[in-house]
Amino acid sequence: GQSLEQPSEVTAVEGAIVQINCTYQTSGFYGLSWYQQHDGGAPTFLSYNALDGLEETGRFSSFLSRSDSYGYLLLQELQMKDSASYFCADADQGGKLIFGQGTELSVKP
Amino acid sequence: NAGVTQTPKFRILKIGQSMTLQCAQDMNHNYMYWYRQDPGMGLKLIYYSVGAGITDKGEVPNGYNVSRSTTEDFPLRLELAAPSQTSVYFCASSYSRGLGGSNEKLFFGSGTQLSVL
Repeated sequence: GQSLEQPSEVTAVEGAIVQINCTYQTSGFYGLSWYQQHDGGAPTFLSYNALDGLEETGRFSSFLSRSDSYGYLLLQELQMKDSASYFCADADQGGKLIFGQGTELSVKP
Repeated sequence: NAGVTQTPKFRILKIGQSMTLQCAQDMNHNYMYWYRQDPGMGLKLIYYSVGAGITDKGEVPNGYNVSRSTTEDFPLRLELAAPSQTSVYFCASSYSRGLGGSNEKLFFGSGTQLSVL
């Protein structure tokens, strides 16, 4: 089976750095993805990690440790528009893609 | 570039009615997914397909059916609608799984808000 755990809420101030953690239990794990969802909108893809290490895309970075079944999303230079829900998701070898419950990020001025 | 198109955007059903949520993609993607999202919750996988003619159950398949007769279309059928099926439904597609990089990116439709009263 597959399951993912992430914190339900995180609060940070504008300009700061925030880390959103995700632990997973998946047989036949393929890779970990991250998605952003603003209220009322569809989720949008942020990043994907198949191998251990850090992937950087602008202000956003994502990290994976397969041995620890753990990953995180790092958001730097936070902006008000980063207030949203963030989901980690993993796929098994059969193609099934499961999402975590989501972390609601609130960015304060 | 249409991407993933879902219809309708909103629908109200009475208990016991049936309906089909339509989903079409024009990116020649092999993988297609149906998710539901209840208020303040994550996305739950209903059904998915890895190619035309192949479908499989996700986390919450009860009360739903799907078919994938073409690469482009992946309709979701609700039979005997129940209040517990009130939710926002998202269809999504991706090129593949396991090839890494942009191939893993899931493209989402804009969603269907369904109320069963």
